[in-house]
Amino acid sequence: DIVMTQSPLSLPVTPGEPASISCRSSQSLLQTNGYNHLDWYLQKPGQSPQLLIYSGSIRASGVPDRFSGSGSRTDFTLKISRVEAEDAGIYYCMQALQTRTFGQGTKVEI
Amino acid sequence: QVQLQESGPRLVKPSETLSLTCTVSGGSIHGYYWGWIRQPPGKTLEYIGHIFYTGNVNYNPSLVSRVSMSVDTSKNQFSLRLYSATAADTAVYYCARHQNGGTYPIDHWGQGILVSVS
Repeated sequence: DIVMTQSPLSLPVTPGEPASISCRSSQSLLQTNGYNHLDWYLQKPGQSPQLLIYSGSIRASGVPDRFSGSGSRTDFTLKISRVEAEDAGIYYCMQALQTRTFGQGTKVEI
Repeated sequence: QVQLQESGPRLVKPSETLSLTCTVSGGSIHGYYWGWIRQPPGKTLEYIGHIFYTGNVNYNPSLVSRVSMSVDTSKNQFSLRLYSATAADTAVYYCARHQNGGTYPIDHWGQGILVSVS
């Protein structure tokens, strides 16, 4: 299995300030086609997860541009340029190179 | 807007079979991969597997000996069966759709159904 490790596991944030979450994989997620097989999801309290970023850096439809994904191979970052109250929840990275596996989750508290 | 809804027994006895169905509305089941993901209470998400609308399947190796998925295109539904259930299978089960292209991310999720094995 590819192991996904997120940090931090808990992230207190202030509205209007930036925030950043790190995700590391136990092996490279970069394929020969140039895609990094890494997605980011947000699970708001009491809700199902929702897709934020796929292929490492592509924002999903309807996702605000304050969210951005970067990184390659084994090291990835999700950044929120200016946190809003509605961004609270648990953020998960997920690798899609082999049988999908998720990180432990990062709880973002406003 | 595509919507997914899980249905099935919320309580399963140990050693019995956990069976769930996902009904897709607002869109066709044709042309997509459909997946099942679960989340034990207080834990992270676990990918169970997926099925293409043609019936081709891919299961998590950790569950392959106990899992089966099927699709019924006439009803716009797909199903999950998990055999020989134990307390460790207690979780919220989500059905989901994979977006076509790229990394085939999961772009639509059901609301989830809590299944307890006890």
